[in-house]
Amino acid sequence: SQQGEEDPQALSIQEGENATMNCSYKTSINNLQWYRQNSGRGLVHLILIRSNEREKHSGRLRVTLDTSKKSSSLLITASRAADTASYFCAHVGFQKLVFGTGTRLLVSP
Amino acid sequence: DVKVTQSSRYLVKRTGEKVFLECVQDMDHENMFWYRQDPGLGLRLIYFSYDVKMKEKGDIPEGYSVSREKKERFSLILESASTNQTSMYLCASSSNTEAFFGQGTRLTVV
Repeated sequence: SQQGEEDPQALSIQEGENATMNCSYKTSINNLQWYRQNSGRGLVHLILIRSNEREKHSGRLRVTLDTSKKSSSLLITASRAADTASYFCAHVGFQKLVFGTGTRLLVSP
Repeated sequence: DVKVTQSSRYLVKRTGEKVFLECVQDMDHENMFWYRQDPGLGLRLIYFSYDVKMKEKGDIPEGYSVSREKKERFSLILESASTNQTSMYLCASSSNTEAFFGQGTRLTVV
């Protein structure tokens, strides 16, 4: 399986704190994507980082990519209760869109 | 507003039944995917299609088949449903840079 892995599996923080999630993958990539899933729903695209980029920002999101280590991280700054969700990284390998195992984030007021 | 629509939100079927899960997208995407999601296992790819009438096995195709007769529609078929196919099923279509998901079908096989 080409499925990537994410850690931690679960993360619990207080509002206002930063949340960092890590993702590892197994194949060469053109880009890596991060998605968010609210409980029992489909996934929503958050941000894409290309293989020739090392860091990308979008609002309170910061993504880094290290292709030599085949890893990426997602940082959510100044978290809010509404950020509570599961977060997944994804990449295309051999035409397949492959997801990691996900990180469950709980932000408490 | 782009959209991927799955035919059912919740479905209960009996063991041995033939089950059809339908997915329709309105973005003219060539790539479409079916995943199942189970606690602790993330999203696992069942089948995908990169063109009409084309299909490729994902990581867990056993017990499933698919049909892509039209570009906008990708159907997942459980030939003979079993209790271990109880799961959340997610359909997606994608461009090269972003995937769009349906709302998911929670299938229970009893």
